[in-house]
Amino acid sequence: SQELEQSPQSLIVQEGKNLTINCTSSKTLYGLYWYKQKYGEGLIFLMMLQKGGEEKSHEKITAKLDEKKQQSSLHITASQPSHAGIYLCGAGGSNYKLTFGKGTLLTVNP
Amino acid sequence: GAGVSQSPRYKVTKRGQDVALRCDPISGHVSLYWYRQALGQGPEFLTYFNYEAQQDKSGLPNDRFSAERPEGSISTLTIQRTEQRDSAMYRCASSLAGDGYTFGSGTRLTVV
Repeated sequence: SQELEQSPQSLIVQEGKNLTINCTSSKTLYGLYWYKQKYGEGLIFLMMLQKGGEEKSHEKITAKLDEKKQQSSLHITASQPSHAGIYLCGAGGSNYKLTFGKGTLLTVNP
Repeated sequence: GAGVSQSPRYKVTKRGQDVALRCDPISGHVSLYWYRQALGQGPEFLTYFNYEAQQDKSGLPNDRFSAERPEGSISTLTIQRTEQRDSAMYRCASSLAGDGYTFGSGTRLTVV
């Protein structure tokens, strides 16, 4: 079965700083999803990456998929308190199931 | 509806009681998924429906857990004879074509 390891497990940054979260898969990634989870809310879809080398951006968040390394990274530029939460990566294979990492807890101090 | 709706948001039940968790997916979404998320962990797959057919229930922990989606829309996850280890966030998601999953806010189940 596929396993996803996220690093770091938690991260505390000062507002305005850049940060990167990594997601490494035990198997080839066919599709990689990034979600954000805030307390009391559902999982908020951020981005989906499918092709090796693909890079997508939304506002100040950029995600890349490095298929060769079986890894994806999520980069936040000029972090804000609104970016705080738990970031989860999920891998979708050739089927419908998503396998998730354990998440990265991001705290942004004003 | 505009999003995936789950009810109740919070459920506290006594050990041994049965509970039913409801999921109302986005209108028109063919696929519906149930996941369970323990504290500090990512969501884990429980079961999956395509229309009213339960296509995969391999993630259900044991036979106390069951799910149905009789008319291909609303789904119910039922846990019989609840145990403390069943305490978790139960999440429902729906999708149109197997990707772009939209998750609901979840039901926080606490078994005391």
